[in-house]
Amino acid sequence: EAQVTQNPRYLITVTGKKLTVTCSQNMNHEYMSWYRQDPGLGLRQIYYSMNVEVTDKGDVPEGYKVSRKEKRNFPLILESPSPNQTSLYFCASSPASTGGASGELFFGEGSRLTVL
Amino acid sequence: GQQVMQIPQYQHVQEGEDFTTYCNSSTTLSNIQWYKQRPGGHPVFLIQLVKSGEVKKQKRLTFQFGEAKKNSSLHITATQTTDVGTYFCAGATSGTYKYIFGTGTRLKVLA
Repeated sequence: EAQVTQNPRYLITVTGKKLTVTCSQNMNHEYMSWYRQDPGLGLRQIYYSMNVEVTDKGDVPEGYKVSRKEKRNFPLILESPSPNQTSLYFCASSPASTGGASGELFFGEGSRLTVL
Repeated sequence: GQQVMQIPQYQHVQEGEDFTTYCNSSTTLSNIQWYKQRPGGHPVFLIQLVKSGEVKKQKRLTFQFGEAKKNSSLHITATQTTDVGTYFCAGATSGTYKYIFGTGTRLKVLA
């Protein structure tokens, strides 16, 4: 089954304790991205990757890191989480396209993170 | 920076009534996509529009892309309880790999 898998689905942590949210897709998609969803703000893009070893900042990258060492995986790293990073996080993937963003985004189930 | 505004933020309708949500971009878009997110779920792709003035239909859903490629709408005819959820538009500009999502319209259908 084609899917995007995120882990963990739920996490409560404390300020400053490094954490990683994993994302894996089995559709051989070149494009992957991370979003955070907050009430009234919709989905905001954190980082995206057009292919292995190619990443770029979205609209809200502060406090986050990503890596793309393999095509299927795109982990989101919070080096020193703070309470304002409490949010619902979604990973998404899409087939490659030239000339810009295009094509259906396949979303994971989401990871609800609470930072105390 | 580029912004995509979506209205209304909330809409409550009686089952059988029509519903429309609108998206407006501050810049010209290369394409616009629409997603539906059920309560507690993740966004699911509905459609992508690419051409100026394009209109596409999916059963009771009608999607439009404006002539200037800066606005779009989603219209649902005769809503059903299964239409409940939040509808998002997502715009992309040519040459970028960033999707800008609208803030979403939460639809509630009263039986």
